[in-house]
Amino acid sequence: GESVGLHLPTLSVQEGDNSIINCAYSNSASDYFIWYKQESGKGPQFIIDIRSNMDKRQGQRVTVLLNKTVKHLSLQIAATQPGDSAVYFCAEKRIPWSSASKIIFGSGTRLSIRP
Amino acid sequence: KAGVTQTPRYLIKTRGQQVTLSCSPISGHRSVSWYQQTPGQGLQFLFEYFSETQRNKGNFPGRFSGRQFSNSRSEMNVSTLELGDSALYLCASSPGQGAGDTEAFFGQGTRLTVV
Repeated sequence: GESVGLHLPTLSVQEGDNSIINCAYSNSASDYFIWYKQESGKGPQFIIDIRSNMDKRQGQRVTVLLNKTVKHLSLQIAATQPGDSAVYFCAEKRIPWSSASKIIFGSGTRLSIRP
Repeated sequence: KAGVTQTPRYLIKTRGQQVTLSCSPISGHRSVSWYQQTPGQGLQFLFEYFSETQRNKGNFPGRFSGRQFSNSRSEMNVSTLELGDSALYLCASSPGQGAGDTEAFFGQGTRLTVV
């Protein structure tokens, strides 16, 4: 069956340090891997995605790394700030050209920031 | 540009009743997806609608249904409510076509409590 996003449930990081959130997946047929952030009382918010034929993609303060050999995905957040406190989900999406797509979410990692 | 709007935000229903939730997508978006979020099961895909047609469906019983109108607004209905249906129901909108259609925008959700 489909399985994505085997996360560690919690991660505590000192403010100003870099955070690394890891995710393991099992489905090699995924087209895209996506990271979402969900703050308390809000819906998930798109952070960054990476196509399955890429190894690395950078955004503003975030970097996503994809290792297809070991089926591992990570999100790195530079200089972690209090506003980064949230639950982070990795997710996968398959986009066949002529058909529908859906997002499969992992279980999520709760990131806490220590002052 | 207005975001995804879900109504109502909170709802309390009794077992056996039925409920209808509403979602207005971002203007111009034709795809609306619904997800159920619970502490135990995480975020699970219910179904996706595109141009008034259900394009994809998750593994939920037939008590869960939906529809989409010509203006892309969507409703989901749950009949014969069970205690286990208590959850945050999230709606996500996206343009709905094209290989780059990975960024789904989520609403704040409807918190349904079944008593």
